[in-house]
Amino acid sequence: GQNIDQPTEMTATEGAIVQINCTYQTSGFNGLFWYQQHAGEAPTFLSYNVLDGLEEKGRFSSFLSRSKGYSYLLLKELQMKDSASYLCAVLDSNYQLIWGAGTKLIIKP
Amino acid sequence: NAGVTQTPKFRVLKTGQSMTLLCAQDMNHEYMYWYRQDPGMGLRLIHYSVGEGTTAKGEVPDGYNVSRLKKQNFLLGLESAAPSQTSVYFCASTKTLAGGWEQFFGPGTRLTVL
Repeated sequence: GQNIDQPTEMTATEGAIVQINCTYQTSGFNGLFWYQQHAGEAPTFLSYNVLDGLEEKGRFSSFLSRSKGYSYLLLKELQMKDSASYLCAVLDSNYQLIWGAGTKLIIKP
Repeated sequence: NAGVTQTPKFRVLKTGQSMTLLCAQDMNHEYMYWYRQDPGMGLRLIHYSVGEGTTAKGEVPDGYNVSRLKKQNFLLGLESAAPSQTSVYFCASTKTLAGGWEQFFGPGTRLTVL
């Protein structure tokens, strides 16, 4: 079966750095996405990785290792508005997105 | 541009009632999707469409039907609602599947079936 694992909840301090991990086992791989979802709202796109390595976009970076079936999302200089759920999703061989359950990130002042 | 819109935003149904959820996008996207999101679970694909007049089943299609008569609209129907269909429903669209094109999501419909 297809499976995406990410921690259920994480807590971090404002101004700090946090890394949210995602491991996957899917039928094929055509890219990995990270989305942010604030409570009661729709998911919004953060990043896309299809090749190994680090993609940096402002305070957010995403890393991919295809051989390990592993990705992480790195958030720097945390702000209170970063409190949200972070969803990892893999595009499988049928070009369907398989979603993880999401990691709820709680930022404390 | 409005992006992706969904109607209604909230709905309460009784078991056995029917309803249709409407999704509309103004980005000329070919691909459209209906997901449901339940606590502690990832988004699960109900049905999707790769173009006007075409639909296909996703991971959890039972109890739902869809239609894509116009490119900009994707309708999700519940013929006989059940309490297990209580969920938040999201519609999404994307330009293409490859190349990292993001899916744009509507604001969601919160459905409760009593």
